[in-house]
Amino acid sequence: DQQVKQNSPSLSVQEGRISILNCDYTNSMFDYFLWYKKYPAEGPTFLISISSIKDKNEDGRFTVFLNKSAKHLSLHIVPSQPGDSAVYFCAAGTNRDDKIIFGKGTRLHILP
Amino acid sequence: DVKVTQSSRYLVKRTGEKVFLECVQDMDHENMFWYRQDPGLGLRLIYFSYDVKMKEKGDIPEGYSVSREKKERFSLILESASTNQTSMYLCASSDTGTSGYEQYFGPGTRLTVT
Repeated sequence: DQQVKQNSPSLSVQEGRISILNCDYTNSMFDYFLWYKKYPAEGPTFLISISSIKDKNEDGRFTVFLNKSAKHLSLHIVPSQPGDSAVYFCAAGTNRDDKIIFGKGTRLHILP
Repeated sequence: DVKVTQSSRYLVKRTGEKVFLECVQDMDHENMFWYRQDPGLGLRLIYFSYDVKMKEKGDIPEGYSVSREKKERFSLILESASTNQTSMYLCASSDTGTSGYEQYFGPGTRLTVT
């Protein structure tokens, strides 16, 4: 049973526009959520995180929104740039241990 | 800057061989993890370790074992490699929860079993 779901395998966005990547979760006990970015043949790199007690966190072009009632979070990238083309993983964890659970990823293509 | 290194970027092994994948981190992190990444399946946790000589099974431990004799080093062992273990293997490390939950990843090892 998938606890963290990314239902869109891929997404194409025009350069300069907003990219919105979505993630749903089933476990209401998650205490924090993270987004990772992964280029081919490289390890994932951390992008941004949000605590379950917040509803928004912003870092430069990246903003993560959390809607706890809907068990949904989203990553907004504004404006989208060619270097943003990558696979994005949503992940979540609890304070009980240091494991995090990853979604299956969404491949983002930024079109020129 | 946290650095996680993996012993090989690419590896080709034959079915039945014993395979060792090594991972070293330089940030004195307590936690270390082994994942595999397959298309359409995301990152799946194989094993993790929260201290020297301590290990816990992840979601897909079958066919794998691990060793953590020193804090900075975490090894993944395929006792008898099979073709369904062809995958990208990723090692990660993190500090304990009170210091943050971010995991730092190595570059990955692309293992092909023929």
